[in-house]
Amino acid sequence: DVKVTQSSRYLVKRTGEKVFLECVQDMDHENMFWYRQDPGLGLRLIYFSYDVKMKEKGDIPEGYSVSREKKERFSLILESASTNQTSMYLCASSSRELAEQETQYFGPGTRLLVL
Amino acid sequence: GQNIDQPTEMTATEGAIVQINCTYQTSGFNGLFWYQQHAGEAPTFLSYNVLDGLEEKGRFSSFLSRSKGYSYLLLKELQMKDSASYLCAVTNTGGFKTIFGAGTRLFVKA
Repeated sequence: DVKVTQSSRYLVKRTGEKVFLECVQDMDHENMFWYRQDPGLGLRLIYFSYDVKMKEKGDIPEGYSVSREKKERFSLILESASTNQTSMYLCASSSRELAEQETQYFGPGTRLLVL
Repeated sequence: GQNIDQPTEMTATEGAIVQINCTYQTSGFNGLFWYQQHAGEAPTFLSYNVLDGLEEKGRFSSFLSRSKGYSYLLLKELQMKDSASYLCAVTNTGGFKTIFGAGTRLFVKA
């Protein structure tokens, strides 16, 4: 079974703090993604990575950065947290194997509250 | 542009059948996913359609019409545990991005 883990389930930070969200997958997947999920807006892609040290902006990258130094780990960084970044953050991974059909496997999510 | 529409909420009765519709507009369509997400949990894969037609998997079936930009998820013999959000998502050719709809919250009542 694919396992995607995230470093925290719940996180409370203050405005202006630097925040690190870590994601690890154990299935040797090439692709990794960071989304945020807000009521009524669904999942919105922040950044994705299709290989080590590679990163691509998603639909809402402003205020975020990412790091992929190892294949299994994809980190999301909020350089200076703001209240509008309060959200549920979901990490996902997928394989480029044809049989996997780009199915994404999600971590349990991190609910971030910025005060 | 790219757009996915699905109803915000639906209510159905235990034991009944419910159909959740999804329409999409996208360039370079590759395939369509349905994911299930229980409250406070991560989305989990339900189905993937590439070709037109109906794919059946137990109590769940998913239909796709590429020419109409339309899909539906059919849930039969509803159970209380089927109360969840159902996300429609589209993948495009030549890229790694998946575009998600806002999700349909399904309430199953006794």
